[in-house]
Amino acid sequence: GQQVMQIPQYQHVQEGEDFTTYCNSSTTLSNIQWYKQRPGGHPVFLIQLVKSGEVKKQKRLTFQFGEAKKNSSLHITATQTTDVGTYFCAGSNTGNQFYFGTGTSLTVIP
Amino acid sequence: DAGVTQSPTHLIKTRGQQVTLRCSPKSGHDTVSWYQQALGQGPQFIFQYYEEEERQRGNFPDRFSGHQFPNYSSELNVNALLLGDSALYLCASSPRRGGYSNYGYTFGSGTRLTVV
Repeated sequence: GQQVMQIPQYQHVQEGEDFTTYCNSSTTLSNIQWYKQRPGGHPVFLIQLVKSGEVKKQKRLTFQFGEAKKNSSLHITATQTTDVGTYFCAGSNTGNQFYFGTGTSLTVIP
Repeated sequence: DAGVTQSPTHLIKTRGQQVTLRCSPKSGHDTVSWYQQALGQGPQFIFQYYEEEERQRGNFPDRFSGHQFPNYSSELNVNALLLGDSALYLCASSPRRGGYSNYGYTFGSGTRLTVV
């Protein structure tokens, strides 16, 4: 079945530092989504990428889809304590069901 | 505008029993997907329902079954519960346009199932 891996599994950063999580798929994806899950909460949709090489920005967050559509990254500039949570990528090769990655847990130290 | 509603929020069952979890999708959404999330893991896709039929299925045994009703609400049934079925069960809804979903999922808060 489809495998979506993320690295790193955990990341601790000082507030104000940057953070990046990487997502790699074993198969070519049609699209990829990113979600954030706060401790004790449920995943919340952040963004969807569809085009090869696509880059999208949301304030301090930058999302990128690889040229081969098999990898993606999320970069947060100048982290804040509100960024704490686990970030998941979710890939699909049909556009209908999405397989979630293993997640990267971000801790921001004030 | 109501989001995704799941019930119950918590449930404790004995090994071998059966359980039914319920989900009401966000208003305007017609597609429901179910995920199992073990502690510290990413959500694992169970199956997806659209037009009252199971459209896609992940790598889960037949003990896991579901249903979608005409009002788009859905149920997840798990038979012969195992200790390993203990997890957070998440329902996610989305609109579906022409058979291709180009929108993010809206997740419910989940049902925490504990099997003892």
